[in-house]
Amino acid sequence: KQEVTQIPAALSVPEGENLVLNCSFTDSAIYNLQWFRQDPGKGLTSLLLIQSSQREQTSGRLNASLDKSSGRSTLYIAASQPGDSATYLCAVMFSGGYNKLIFGAGTRLAVHP
Amino acid sequence: DAGVIQSPRHEVTEMGQEVTLRCKPISGHDYLFWYRQTMMRGLELLIYFNNNVPIDDSGMPEDRFSAKMPNASFSTLKIQPSEPRDSAVYFCASSSDIDQETQYFGPGTRLLVL
Repeated sequence: KQEVTQIPAALSVPEGENLVLNCSFTDSAIYNLQWFRQDPGKGLTSLLLIQSSQREQTSGRLNASLDKSSGRSTLYIAASQPGDSATYLCAVMFSGGYNKLIFGAGTRLAVHP
Repeated sequence: DAGVIQSPRHEVTEMGQEVTLRCKPISGHDYLFWYRQTMMRGLELLIYFNNNVPIDDSGMPEDRFSAKMPNASFSTLKIQPSEPRDSAVYFCASSSDIDQETQYFGPGTRLLVL
């Protein structure tokens, strides 16, 4: 069964810390992996999309890496800010399921001043 | 563009009642997705359409759920009859044919079935 797992489920850090969120998936045959942000009561916003052929993507203070062979991805957030507080979701588009995103349960991040 | 629009934003109903959720995708997008988010199961794809045609409905939980897309700018997700276990946040998302891999999500409809 194709599954996506995220660790930790929740994280609380002081402002300014660099942090890493983890995502693992059960099948290395993927089209892409995406990281989303979800604010309370809001929809999802796409942060980074890594194609199967890529190893990483960067956007501002965010960097996402992909290791297909080990079935892992990490989202690195540099110099965290209170505005980064949200739930971060990892989603995988597995081969054989184009257009179908399989989501992890998310990591709830709180950055306190 | 206004983004994906969903209505209502909140719905409270009693068990057995019919519930209709509505979605307007981003203009020009060819794909429309319906998701459900619960604490227990996370975010799950229910069904998606391409050019108004249902492509994959394998995520629809049971016959009580149905979805339609009568035209390119409107879709409905209907639950009849509703049950308390249907309580969840239902999201609609859309994507374009040119960039199918980037899905834009609406704000969701929070459904509570009493």
